[in-house]
Amino acid sequence: GAGVSQSPSNKVTEKGKDVELRCDPISGHTALYWYRQRLGQGLEFLIYFQGNSAPDKSGLPSDRFSAERTGESVSTLTIQRTQQEDSAVYLCASSLGPGTYEQYFGPGTRLTVT
Amino acid sequence: QKEVEQNSGPLSVPEGAIASLNCTYSDRGSQSFFWYRQYSGKSPELIMFIYSNGDKEDGRFTAQLNKASQYVSLLIRDSQPSDSATYLCAVNRGSNTGKLIFGQGTTLQVKP
Repeated sequence: GAGVSQSPSNKVTEKGKDVELRCDPISGHTALYWYRQRLGQGLEFLIYFQGNSAPDKSGLPSDRFSAERTGESVSTLTIQRTQQEDSAVYLCASSLGPGTYEQYFGPGTRLTVT
Repeated sequence: QKEVEQNSGPLSVPEGAIASLNCTYSDRGSQSFFWYRQYSGKSPELIMFIYSNGDKEDGRFTAQLNKASQYVSLLIRDSQPSDSATYLCAVNRGSNTGKLIFGQGTTLQVKP
């Protein structure tokens, strides 16, 4: 079956511009996660959606970052007024349910801020 | 102290040998543990997960968990050059949160 998909695969933007990244989870997966991976680093948790519950936004690094999810479908991660330190690969994952379920990752969006 | 710690490596083993990758975690309440493999320029791929103390085997892979020592490991038997990648250890604290805490990863090199 189809895995997690993300778009765009690559995004180059100028400092100060806004960007929107999209994630399409595996069908039937109720939980969706966003992570960030800087070059040569591990993954940093950003935000977690589970069904209609309030999202866990505890990993968002600043108020320039926001994310939305409609029901149990597509999610968008928005970064406003991008900075060079936002350059990273943004990874989306989904799982059947919350908590201890296994998470499956999409291919990621490589964001470069010039 | 980092919440999840791994030796960054590189760990170099000859083809056919056993590769042993280790991970320690600081939160005693952690409930589930995952190993992901990440090839350069690719996204993480789940290879093993373990919830209970002891060993769990899947093909050439064995995950070992010791909650008392807060230690989880991954053994790769009969290592192949295609196993050369970065291995990420990830920990989930409990059923109320889906957040995974990742280690920095260990780079494994399997030499023919």
